[in-house]
Amino acid sequence: GESVGLHLPTLSVQEGDNSIINCAYSNSASDYFIWYKQESGKGPQFIIDIRSNMDKRQGQRVTVLLNKTVKHLSLQIAATQPGDSAVYFCAEKTGGNEKLTFGTGTRLTIIP
Amino acid sequence: NAGVTQTPKFQVLKTGQSMTLQCAQDMNHEYMSWYRQDPGMGLRLIHYSVGAGITDQGEVPNGYNVSRSTTEDFPLRLLSAAPSQTSVYFCASSSWERMNTEAFFGQGTRLTVV
Repeated sequence: GESVGLHLPTLSVQEGDNSIINCAYSNSASDYFIWYKQESGKGPQFIIDIRSNMDKRQGQRVTVLLNKTVKHLSLQIAATQPGDSAVYFCAEKTGGNEKLTFGTGTRLTIIP
Repeated sequence: NAGVTQTPKFQVLKTGQSMTLQCAQDMNHEYMSWYRQDPGMGLRLIHYSVGAGITDQGEVPNGYNVSRSTTEDFPLRLLSAAPSQTSVYFCASSSWERMNTEAFFGQGTRLTVV
């Protein structure tokens, strides 16, 4: 079946640098792509989403890029802070409004 | 605001026991979902509901039952616990307005079946 996956399971970045977390997807019919952040011992938290007819969307210190040609999604975090250390999941919404399909996650570690 | 509240936070069951994981939300959201999270496998959808009285199966529904008698509550029942159901369970809710992309998650229930 269709799945959402990530290129790298772990990523270490120096504090203050920019982070880029990548995600590959295979379902061309997905209409939304979403990024979630999960801190240790907590539930996932919504960061930002992008509709499939968009290429880029910016939020506070975050930018999501969508490349439909190669079915690739990325999350850029500017000027990373210790609080950005977490596992980041990409997810896609398909089948109407009912279901989110999550990838396996990337652990981001910020080095002081 | 409480958001999504899950109880209990931790539970140990013996194989064959049954139990109910509770989930309540106070945001008047239409959508509610249950996921399980296992190491290296992300979150997998167990069951979901698009409104009171309506439920459907997700990716891994076997061994679990749900019901949605009210907008606020969405309990998950384990019928006969098995070690394979050892996992962290998350309940989530979202609104029709946000097209089910911005899901709000509870803190999770860590379940161990021995």
